[in-house]
Amino acid sequence: QQQVKQSPQSLIVQKGGISIINCAYENTAFDYFPWYQQFPGKGPALLIAIRPDVSEKKEGRFTISFNKSAKQFSLHIMDSQPGDSATYFCAASEAGGTSYGKLTFGQGTILTVHP
Amino acid sequence: DAGITQSPRHKVTETGTPVTLRCHQTENHRYMYWYRQDPGHGLRLIHYSYGVKDTDKGEVSDGYSVSRSKTEDFLLTLESATSSQTSVYFCAISESGGRGGRETQYFGPGTRLLVL
Repeated sequence: QQQVKQSPQSLIVQKGGISIINCAYENTAFDYFPWYQQFPGKGPALLIAIRPDVSEKKEGRFTISFNKSAKQFSLHIMDSQPGDSATYFCAASEAGGTSYGKLTFGQGTILTVHP
Repeated sequence: DAGITQSPRHKVTETGTPVTLRCHQTENHRYMYWYRQDPGHGLRLIHYSYGVKDTDKGEVSDGYSVSRSKTEDFLLTLESATSSQTSVYFCAISESGGRGGRETQYFGPGTRLLVL
């Protein structure tokens, strides 16, 4: 059972364009939503994260938009650069308790930014 | 990769053989996780540990076992490898395990396993 659904599977954007990746979740107990970036041959690395008490979080060119009522969140990459070409994963977890920070990941989006 | 090493980095094995993957951390983090990454599935949690000798199953634990005898080492064993276990395996560590608002997991470089 896939509790976090991510789309699209792949995305091609021109340099300077906006990349948008969407995720939807089912478990209403999720209260932490990170995005991970993975380059070929490397492990994923935390890019940006959001909690449901805010609707948007921005760090440089990267913005997370969060819609709690729709149980959806998205990553926007402004002014996309060839160096942003990577695989992006959304994830979700329940903070604290006996969840021990276990992350549930989306299926991943392969982003290609053409020069 | 945040003081995390995985060994071996690549392995080819035959169906039916046992395989052990090692994750070693130098961060003294309490929480450790094993994930597998497959196309179309993202990363899926196999097992995790919330302390020395304290482990539990994730969503895809069948055919896998783990052990943690020291804070720094978390071993993943494929008891009898099958072709369906061909995958890339990632170890991750966390300082807080989700408490205190610091849920960041740091991932190792991965082990690419091929089961023939």
